[in-house]
Amino acid sequence: AQSVTQLDSHVSVSEGTPVLLRCNYSSSYSPSLFWYVQHPNKGLQLLLKYTSAATLVKGINGFEAEFKKSETSFHLTKPSAHMSDAAEYFCVVSDPIRRDDKIIFGKGTRLHILP
Amino acid sequence: SQTIHQWPATLVQPVGSPLSLECTVEGTSNPNLYWYRQAAGRGLQLLFYSVGIGQISSEVPQNLSASRPQDRQFILSSKKLLLSDSGFYLCAWSVGGAGNTEAFFGQGTRLTVV
Repeated sequence: AQSVTQLDSHVSVSEGTPVLLRCNYSSSYSPSLFWYVQHPNKGLQLLLKYTSAATLVKGINGFEAEFKKSETSFHLTKPSAHMSDAAEYFCVVSDPIRRDDKIIFGKGTRLHILP
Repeated sequence: SQTIHQWPATLVQPVGSPLSLECTVEGTSNPNLYWYRQAAGRGLQLLFYSVGIGQISSEVPQNLSASRPQDRQFILSSKKLLLSDSGFYLCAWSVGGAGNTEAFFGQGTRLTVV
């Protein structure tokens, strides 16, 4: 069965410095992977997705993620943090080969931006 | 375009009372439907998912049940709420049979059991 582990529950970075949010997955086959963002009291917004095309995926708001099969990782990065990036981020896996189409979320990483 | 409606937005219910949360999707047919619960510090926990009318898979044993009486309608229910049922409940849909598309979320229901 597929699963996803977000290694940090909280990450704090200073404004203007790089962001790294870590995610490792487990899947029987080649998974589809996603990152979502949830701002306080807001709904969930898709940042980017990987579906077996290019391994480096660019998303909205300057975020990108790289699929590394050898490391079973899909870490989210951004070169320069902005105050508006403060939110909770979820790594998500689904398994396109299985017929049950389950979509599994990680426990989330809360990103804090320091002025 | 596709839209998803979830209601109510907030709900305060006494312990032991019943629950019914409704979710409907427009603009697509035969979607996969999901119910998630978000509790503080626990991410989004998948409660139920459905790949078709009457087909419900439960992910965790609990005090809740789900039904899909129509193709684009997904209902979360409980006969008797517990304090531990408090949380933020999210309905979502994805393209059925594709397996590699993202989930699209409703705005959620904040349930407080008192």
